[in-house]
Amino acid sequence: DGGITQSPKYLFRKEGQNVTLSCEQNLNHDAMYWYRQDPGQGLRLIYYSQIVNDFQKGDIAEGYSVSREKKESFPLTVTSAQKNPTAFYLCASSPLGGHRPNEQFFGPGTRLTVL
Amino acid sequence: QKEVEQNSGPLSVPEGAIASLNCTYSDRGSQSFFWYRQYSGKSPELIMFIYSNGDKEDGRFTAQLNKASQYVSLLIRDSQPSDSATYLCAVTGGGSNYKLTFGKGTLLTVNP
Repeated sequence: DGGITQSPKYLFRKEGQNVTLSCEQNLNHDAMYWYRQDPGQGLRLIYYSQIVNDFQKGDIAEGYSVSREKKESFPLTVTSAQKNPTAFYLCASSPLGGHRPNEQFFGPGTRLTVL
Repeated sequence: QKEVEQNSGPLSVPEGAIASLNCTYSDRGSQSFFWYRQYSGKSPELIMFIYSNGDKEDGRFTAQLNKASQYVSLLIRDSQPSDSATYLCAVTGGGSNYKLTFGKGTLLTVNP
């Protein structure tokens, strides 16, 4: 089955800890994205990557870091510098060309809670 | 700052009625427009996309785009209780900008 997987589904973090959220896709998409969703806030872009070994900051990158060592994988690290990390984190991917570019497909999400 | 505005709702319609969801955007260079459906606790699911002015129909869904007015809408005909969800409008920028800007979503409730 083609799709996007995220793990874990639920994650609990103690204050001062770094945690890494996994995102993998087998859709052969070039671009991958990380969003954060808070209640009533819609989706806000954290980081995005259009090619391996390259990524750009989104609107709310402070306190987060990413890597893109493989086309299929785009992990997100929530660092201790992120003061309010409790949220629903969504990973997405999209093709960059072809018939329907920009069409983003989402993984199931990771719900992060700070204890 | 590119903005996408949606009425947060909730929008409540009876089963079988037409639900009308609206979205306005600020970037005149925007070229691609998407509607996502998000059930509570789940991730967004793409249900419609539109690139050209006018209407696009897919089953019970119709997307309408008016670039001059910077307005995109989604009509859901014969609404069903299973359509109850939050509907997110998303817009890309002009040129080679592949980022999507999302509205905050409209909560739709279809009453049996």
